[in-house]
Amino acid sequence: KAGVTQTPRYLIKTRGQQVTLSCSPISGHRSVSWYQQTPGQGLQFLFEYFSETQRNKGNFPGRFSGRQFSNSRSEMNVSTLELGDSALYLCASSLDSSGLGETQYFGPGTRLLVL
Amino acid sequence: AQKVTQAQTEISVVEKEDVTLDCVYETRDTTYYLFWYKQPPSGELVFLIRRNSFDEQNEISGRYSWNFQKSTSSFNFTITASQVVDSAVYFCALSEGFKAAGNKLTFGGGTRVLVKP
Repeated sequence: KAGVTQTPRYLIKTRGQQVTLSCSPISGHRSVSWYQQTPGQGLQFLFEYFSETQRNKGNFPGRFSGRQFSNSRSEMNVSTLELGDSALYLCASSLDSSGLGETQYFGPGTRLLVL
Repeated sequence: AQKVTQAQTEISVVEKEDVTLDCVYETRDTTYYLFWYKQPPSGELVFLIRRNSFDEQNEISGRYSWNFQKSTSSFNFTITASQVVDSAVYFCALSEGFKAAGNKLTFGGGTRVLVKP
């Protein structure tokens, strides 16, 4: 079974631009979560989607948004990019048979650099 | 609110030495789930183990072992006879066990393990 895939793998943007990152979960997985990893703040939860609905959201500004499609694929969008948005963005998927503390499997990440 | 603390930021060992990574967590829930992930230089987080709060049995998987102690809110991880390929950053994480939490993971700061030949 193929793992979680994320595109693009690397991205360079300038301040003020917006960016869309894509994530394809493991086949059959219905929950997709996004995390931001930076040297200063570590790994932080952005949001989780299940059945095309946002189930949980982390403490990030409204510039960060996401969505999930009917095939469970997910996108996240960051508008009006700031230098501090430079990070590794990780997507994770889980089967979600119970919706409680399920194991999440991570993709390789998208490394975003904001200049 | 939940919190995960990995006090050791970096550990350096020589190959074949054992290394223990500490993880201490805080949560008000009686039901919760604990995880360990490995992040090699490639960046992808690799799942190692999941434990629920009702299962305090220690576990051994090859050279890896885990010691879960609810009394001290700790979930420590030991690599026996370390190898160079074990060099990576290891993260401990917590997921709370109520519906609204979903599968949200709260991560510790990570421990970088460097195994020298």
